[in-house]
Amino acid sequence: EDQVTQSPEALRLQEGESSSLNCSYTVSGLRGLFWYRQDPGKGPEFLFTLYSAGEEKEKERLKATLTKKESFLHITAPKPEDSATYLCAHSGAGSYQLTFGKGTKLSVIP
Amino acid sequence: DAGITQSPRHKVTETGTPVTLRCHQTENHRYMYWYRQDPGHGLRLIHYSYGVKDTDKGEVSDGYSVSRSKTEDFLLTLESATSSQTSVYFCAIRGAQGARNTEAFFGQGTRLTVV
Repeated sequence: EDQVTQSPEALRLQEGESSSLNCSYTVSGLRGLFWYRQDPGKGPEFLFTLYSAGEEKEKERLKATLTKKESFLHITAPKPEDSATYLCAHSGAGSYQLTFGKGTKLSVIP
Repeated sequence: DAGITQSPRHKVTETGTPVTLRCHQTENHRYMYWYRQDPGHGLRLIHYSYGVKDTDKGEVSDGYSVSRSKTEDFLLTLESATSSQTSVYFCAIRGAQGARNTEAFFGQGTRLTVV
């Protein structure tokens, strides 16, 4: 069964304290691993797509990496405006669907 | 921003009444999705469409139906609303897929309360 598990459920960081969010997945034939950011009361906002183990994508303070079983979202020197829920999703071979994890709620304290 | 519009944005309805939510896109994307989001459950797929008049069930489809008569519109109907359908509903769109699947883009959501 295709699954996505995100950890931790919640993470509190001091401003400038770097950390990583984890996304463990099982899927038959990965066709894409996706990261989203969601602010309260809004729809998920697309951040990154990863397709192959070893691939990395960066945007400002965020860097996403991919292995055959996990993806990590690394946050370097976070700022309070990085506070949000971060969602991971995948899509598998022969499937039209995106399967989401439950998310990690990140709070960055000034 | 991807051209996705959900309507209404907020709705309160009574138990037992039918409700229709609309998703409209201006991107001409093939795939459209309806998700619901609830605390502790994350985003769960209700129904999706892979073309005009082509739809299929997702993980939590009971009590919901959908229709897609043209590329730009995807309607979600709660045939007889229940309190358990109180949720935030998101529409998403995605372009054509091949060996690699592209990302989905989401609307702003519809907050539905069934009283």
